[in-house]
Amino acid sequence: QSVLTQPPSASGTPGQRVTMSCSGSSSSIGSNSVNWYQQRPGTAPKLVIYSNDQRPSGVPDRFSGSKSGTSASLAISGLQSEDEADYYCGAWDDSLNGSYVFGTGTKVTVL
Amino acid sequence: QLVQSETEVKNPGASVKVSCKTSGYIFSAYYLHWVRQAPGQGLQWVGRINPDNGGTNLAQKFQGRVTMTRDTSISTAYMELSSLTSDDTAVYYCVRDPQGPRDYWGQGTLVTVSS
Repeated sequence: QSVLTQPPSASGTPGQRVTMSCSGSSSSIGSNSVNWYQQRPGTAPKLVIYSNDQRPSGVPDRFSGSKSGTSASLAISGLQSEDEADYYCGAWDDSLNGSYVFGTGTKVTVL
Repeated sequence: QLVQSETEVKNPGASVKVSCKTSGYIFSAYYLHWVRQAPGQGLQWVGRINPDNGGTNLAQKFQGRVTMTRDTSISTAYMELSSLTSDDTAVYYCVRDPQGPRDYWGQGTLVTVSS
């Protein structure tokens, strides 16, 4: 079961900035770094942020991440139609026998 | 590159074994994780295997029902799930380095459990 909570949806018009949160606990986000994944329909997830705020090579700098305490955020600035997708956060959880946990997911819609 | 086995259709109570053939890197150097996604649902971590020594970490939900193995001679990892129910219907992905700095995902294997 997910132990990272995300809002179910977020939206914006092209060019706007959209943010989404990921709420965890002291044993998950509070103790470990956060990663973010983008998943377009019918495709495998793709890492867009790792180690809280690092972008993999090839990911546009429109994507940014941050972490504070037991929560994390992903922001997409200059929203584009191709950003419409589901976004999941993920982190290790020390209380679950060393398990990795994903967030509940946020669907981003470009209006 | 990670290439997974084809779609499977199983009866309730049966077992399924999904393979993940890797290439292009040293197989023993990186953990391989398994993640599943039920239709219309979110991502769920199943567990991971250390290809170097075969050691595994499994999510509590799957302990006792999932076995992860590997064959280093053909750079392939396997995930076997037993006592299948309709709740196990999902796409199963193998993935290397989900924590970055660069992730590599298989194409996914659809497992359908239906009588």
